[in-house]
Amino acid sequence: NAGVTQTPKFRVLKTGQSMTLLCAQDMNHEYMYWYRQDPGMGLRLIHYSVGEGTTAKGEVPDGYNVSRLKKQNFLLGLESAAPSQTSVYFCASSYLRTNEQFFGPGTRLTVL
Amino acid sequence: AQSVTQLGSHVSVSEGALVLLRCNYSSSVPPYLFWYVQYPNQGLQLLLKYTSAATLVKGINGFEAEFKKSETSFHPTKPSAHMSDAAEYFCAVTAGGGADGLTFGKGTHLIIQP
Repeated sequence: NAGVTQTPKFRVLKTGQSMTLLCAQDMNHEYMYWYRQDPGMGLRLIHYSVGEGTTAKGEVPDGYNVSRLKKQNFLLGLESAAPSQTSVYFCASSYLRTNEQFFGPGTRLTVL
Repeated sequence: AQSVTQLGSHVSVSEGALVLLRCNYSSSVPPYLFWYVQYPNQGLQLLLKYTSAATLVKGINGFEAEFKKSETSFHPTKPSAHMSDAAEYFCAVTAGGGADGLTFGKGTHLIIQP
């Protein structure tokens, strides 16, 4: 099993550009999450999904959109990137009720 | 709402010495508590977890932790530090079914001195 995978691993954007980060999991997990990690801040929840076709806002959702069209995939979109969105983005998934989350390797995004 | 506080953004211990990481939580309902370890340029790996089954839990790499409700704490320890333990460690909490994600502490950078 590959676990949780993220595409791409690195990306550099210019202010105002858009992009989509892809997360895929092969563990048949219901719950999926997007976090961002910034120095000295720990990880903060952006959006999450409790199942196919559902999404909800987390702690820092502004400037991001998400979609969960298939159970195994969770997409994070930036419509108009800003330098404040420079960060490392992690996707995670968990099986219903067990709460342990499995993390992907991360995507390092730089917005110039 | 829940929160966690990690005491010590940097912890330095000598190789072979006791490792102690500190996490205190705040939660209005019984919490689920986790510690994750992050090696440089990698994702997060579960170190150990408390999910109410037992108050003393064992994790990977020789770490264990005791959940102390009266102290609202969940501090991992390892009897003898190894150079490979050098990493960033995060405490996290959630309540209920985990639907609202994990709330993370700011992290503790563990340094192992030779």
